[in-house]
Amino acid sequence: DVKVTQSSRYLVKRTGEKVFLECVQDMDHENMFWYRQDPGLGLRLIYFSYDVKMKEKGDIPEGYSVSREKKERFSLILESASTNQTSMYLCASSLVRVDQPQHFGDGTRLSIL
Amino acid sequence: RKEVEQDPGPFNVPEGATVAFNCTYSNSASQSFFWYRQDCRKEPKLLMSVYSSGNEDGRFTAQLNRASQYISLLIRDSKLSDSATYLCVVMRGSNYKLTFGKGTLLTVNP
Repeated sequence: DVKVTQSSRYLVKRTGEKVFLECVQDMDHENMFWYRQDPGLGLRLIYFSYDVKMKEKGDIPEGYSVSREKKERFSLILESASTNQTSMYLCASSLVRVDQPQHFGDGTRLSIL
Repeated sequence: RKEVEQDPGPFNVPEGATVAFNCTYSNSASQSFFWYRQDCRKEPKLLMSVYSSGNEDGRFTAQLNRASQYISLLIRDSKLSDSATYLCVVMRGSNYKLTFGKGTLLTVNP
């Protein structure tokens, strides 16, 4: 079974802090993704990476950056957290094949006060 | 037209009922299609992939109509454990990015 692990289930941070969300997958997947999920808006793609040190902007990259130094690890960084970044953050991974689904971690519920 | 559009729901059905979810997508270049389920405050989990010829997995049947850009999911003999939000998911072309519908909430009642 694919295992995608996110470092925290719940996180509370303050406005202006730099926030790191970590994600690790154990299936040697090339692709990794970061989403946020908000009521009424569904899942929206923030960034994704198709290889080590490669990244591509998703639909809502503003205010975020990412890092992929190792194949199994994909980090999401909130450079200066703001209250509108309070959300559920979901990491996913997949193989490099168009018929392959993405597998999700448990999610991190982030609150910015 | 939204990229992926689903029945807004919510659906409330009795145990044993048959329920159908519909979904349309706007990008004709979309290559892969999936149904995910998401339980309350949990992550989305793959329910099934959707193939051109249609496919079945136990009580679940998925259909794809590329000409009409339409996907469906049929659940037969609903169980209480089927209560969840069902997400229609489409891969945009060949770049591995997925577009998620907003989901349809299903509640199966005893």
